[in-house]
Amino acid sequence: EDKVVQSPLSLVVHEGDTVTLNCSYEVTNFRSLLWYKQEKKAPTFLFMLTSSGIEKKSGRLSSILDKKELFSILNITATQTGDSAVYLCAVGPLMGSSNTGKLIFGQGTTLQVKP
Amino acid sequence: DGGITQSPKYLFRKEGQNVTLSCEQNLNHDAMYWYRQDPGQGLRLIYYSQIVNDFQKGDIAEGYSVSREKKESFPLTVTSAQKNPTAFYLCASSRPSGTVDGRPQHFGDGTRLSIL
Repeated sequence: EDKVVQSPLSLVVHEGDTVTLNCSYEVTNFRSLLWYKQEKKAPTFLFMLTSSGIEKKSGRLSSILDKKELFSILNITATQTGDSAVYLCAVGPLMGSSNTGKLIFGQGTTLQVKP
Repeated sequence: DGGITQSPKYLFRKEGQNVTLSCEQNLNHDAMYWYRQDPGQGLRLIYYSQIVNDFQKGDIAEGYSVSREKKESFPLTVTSAQKNPTAFYLCASSRPSGTVDGRPQHFGDGTRLSIL
C-alpha cells in the first residue's frame, strides 16, 4: 500500500531557529514529491521535486529529495512567527502510462514559531 | 484573478440529510479533486476527475457522490450514508501533464461541514 509519513507531527521553536521537516514515502512508480504550507485554509504550493540531490530554494525555505532512500526534507532557516502552519508532504505516483495527477498526502507537521 | 472557489465556507447538516458542496474553478484545469481533512491528519482523496463526464473513486469514496458536467465545476454530495461527515473538505484542480513532472494542485479555501 502506498504511504507517506511525515515527522515530527508537531514542533515548537523560537524565532530565529532553523527547522528540518521530514517526509518518507513508499510509493509504486514514483512521479514527484510536493510540499505545501497550510494556514487554516487552502494549502499553498511550496516545492515540487522530481530529481534526487537537486536542492530547490525559495527565500528561507529549501527542500531536497533522496530517491534512493525514499525521503525528502524541508528546511526553514531563521524562522519567523509567520512560518507557523501545517506543512504537508504529498507524493504523486504514476498510474501505468498515464499521469492521473493523484497525490498521496502525509499527516502533516504542525510548526509553531514563538516570538 | 484565476482561482478555485468553494462554497459555502461553513455548512451544518442534520442527520439523514444530503448536502452538496460547491467547487468552481476558472483556471481552465482539466483535473479536479476532492479531499477530506480531519484534525491531526493529512488529506485523503474522496473522488477525482480528469475530464468532463468522467470521474473515479479515491481512497474514501463511500458515502459521497460527485458529478462533472462542466469543466469548471465539480460538486461533491455528502449523502446520509456517510456516517461521520464532520470534517474540512478541500477541492483542488490541476492540469494533468503528459510528462513525468506533472503539475502541482491548486486548492480552494475549503468547506467546514458539521453535524447538528
